[in-house]
Amino acid sequence: NAGVMQNPRHLVRRRGQEARLRCSPMKGHSHVYWYRQLPEEGLKFMVYLQKENIIDESGMPKERFSAEFPKEGPSILRIQQVVRGDSAAYFCASSPQGGNSPLHFGNGTRLTVT
Amino acid sequence: KQEVTQIPAALSVPEGENLVLNCSFTDSAIYNLQWFRQDPGKGLTSLLLIQSSQREQTSGRLNASLDKSSGRSTLYIAASQPGDSATYLCAVTPEDSGGSNYKLTFGKGTLLTVNP
Repeated sequence: NAGVMQNPRHLVRRRGQEARLRCSPMKGHSHVYWYRQLPEEGLKFMVYLQKENIIDESGMPKERFSAEFPKEGPSILRIQQVVRGDSAAYFCASSPQGGNSPLHFGNGTRLTVT
Repeated sequence: KQEVTQIPAALSVPEGENLVLNCSFTDSAIYNLQWFRQDPGKGLTSLLLIQSSQREQTSGRLNASLDKSSGRSTLYIAASQPGDSATYLCAVTPEDSGGSNYKLTFGKGTLLTVNP
């Protein structure tokens, strides 16, 4: 049973470009969570999604960031017009249910904005 | 606003030593506290979860304690091994989370190196 799969592992974008980060949850998991780890900072919650629904986006920056989890396919975290401050490791986690189900983390996508 | 602090930021010990990692949090209104392990270039692996009503949890050579009222937790690793080398993260879930585990506040971690 494959774990949470994130791709790409590393992504380099120039300022102003768009970044798309993908997350395929574990088989049987319908809840997805995105976290960001800025350099020298702790991980911070960004958004919680179920299939076709955003449940909690209280941690998402108000502009340029969006997330989706379509009925078919992976969850996508999209960052438009990237800036240097977006450089970070972005982690996805999944769980079979909400509530206090344990989270399973992917290996992350390291985004570098040049 | 909850803040989680981990001390020390880095720790280097010889193999076989027992060690303690510290975590403190500013708001004692927590639902639970978790300790995670993060290997370089990898995701997080949950090690231990302590509910707010519990005082400690044990798994193998690991023992985590929680003193909710004073806002402190420790992770004790017995007989450390080189394979224990990793970053250890502490994270808390707020009391008003309704039992949901996802809205974690993480510390910056302690980078542990166990030398053979």
